[in-house]
Amino acid sequence: EAGVAQSPRYKIIEKRQSVAFWCNPISGHATLYWYQQILGQGPKLLIQFQNNGVVDDSQLPKDRFSAERLKGVDSTLKIQPAKLEDSAVYLCASNSRGLQETQYFGPGTRLLVL
Amino acid sequence: GQQLNQSPQSMFIQEGEDVSMNCTSSSIFNTWLWYKQDPGEGPVLLIALYKAGELTSNGRLTAQFGITRKDSFLNISASIPSDVGIYFCAGQLTMNRDDKIIFGKGTRLHILP
Repeated sequence: EAGVAQSPRYKIIEKRQSVAFWCNPISGHATLYWYQQILGQGPKLLIQFQNNGVVDDSQLPKDRFSAERLKGVDSTLKIQPAKLEDSAVYLCASNSRGLQETQYFGPGTRLLVL
Repeated sequence: GQQLNQSPQSMFIQEGEDVSMNCTSSSIFNTWLWYKQDPGEGPVLLIALYKAGELTSNGRLTAQFGITRKDSFLNISASIPSDVGIYFCAGQLTMNRDDKIIFGKGTRLHILP
């Protein structure tokens, strides 16, 4: 069974530029999560989707971050404009029925903002 | 907001030694999770604990859900080189469809040659 796929694996941009990350969850998984993991920290949940609807985006900085899952499968996370403090690993995870079930994480996208 | 205190921050041990790490919180959780993250990878779930007082093993790993629901520990017995990595605890509170998950800052395990 294929795992959670993310791309790109690495991205370097300058501050004030825009960037987008893509996630393809495990086939059949209705729930998709985006996490931000700053160096030396644990992952922080940014947004949770159930199918194509947002369940929780309370920790998403909505002035610059946006995410969508239009068809309830793939998802994109966008930062516009990026700040230096956005440098982090952005992890995508998925499962079938929300936080009460094991989440499966992708390898992450490493973002460096210069 | 809620925070988890995970300790120690890092450990340097000899191969074959036992390892112990823990997480504490000022808030209660109804699920405790322990993950391992290797370089360049996402976290992988090791053990999930669902009930206060629960003691669960997975091979050489043993974890317990504290009675107060505010803490958990993870033990690794007879460490081997592939145990190297970062171990994260995560507390989860599922209540009235308002699910929250919070991760600790991690314990970095190093094994000395």
